[in-house]
Amino acid sequence: DAGVIQSPRHEVTEMGQEVTLRCKPISGHDYLFWYRQTMMRGLELLIYFNNNVPIDDSGMPEDRFSAKMPNASFSTLKIQPSEPRDSAVYFCASSFRGSSYEQYFGPGTRLTVT
Amino acid sequence: ILNVEQSPQSLHVQEGDSTNFTCSFPSSNFYALHWYRWETAKSPEALFVMTLNGDEKKKGRISATLNTKEGYSYLYIKGSQPEDSATYLCALRGLGNEKLTFGTGTRLTIIP
Repeated sequence: DAGVIQSPRHEVTEMGQEVTLRCKPISGHDYLFWYRQTMMRGLELLIYFNNNVPIDDSGMPEDRFSAKMPNASFSTLKIQPSEPRDSAVYFCASSFRGSSYEQYFGPGTRLTVT
Repeated sequence: ILNVEQSPQSLHVQEGDSTNFTCSFPSSNFYALHWYRWETAKSPEALFVMTLNGDEKKKGRISATLNTKEGYSYLYIKGSQPEDSATYLCALRGLGNEKLTFGTGTRLTIIP
């Protein structure tokens, strides 16, 4: 398996623009997690899905952030409108019960909002 | 909210020396403890998952122990090598929960 795939790897956008980050989990994994990494707060969980259904979105910072998982092999994290303080590395991870919920991380998307 | 603490925040170790660091968590809400290794500009990579009190896991020169009654886990690296330089994260999975709560990590730098 290719592992968790994220795109784009880098995104530079202007304040106010819409940003969409994409994730393809490992085939057979039924949990998908979106994290944000910043210097100030470390690795923080934004939202996670089980069988394509959002389970806990309490980490989503505000209404500008939204996430979807239309099928088992694809998820998006959207920021609209983007702000400079959204600049961070966004990771997607997937897991399944059989692996003791061990999470496998994608390479991350480095987002810069100017 | 689960509180997972790691110490020290950072550590510099001479190549060849052994080292260890700590992860502390609330023992009352424990299901599993995960350790990850996170190299700069890469993504976190799973090292160990531990569930039982007294568990010991080993992968090469890296090993970990778990004490669920007192709420801590130690990660040991024997004979440090430059490639061990990374941030080591621990993460707690609480009872009835599929998500992980991560500590802020211990940043390890091996001095050649």
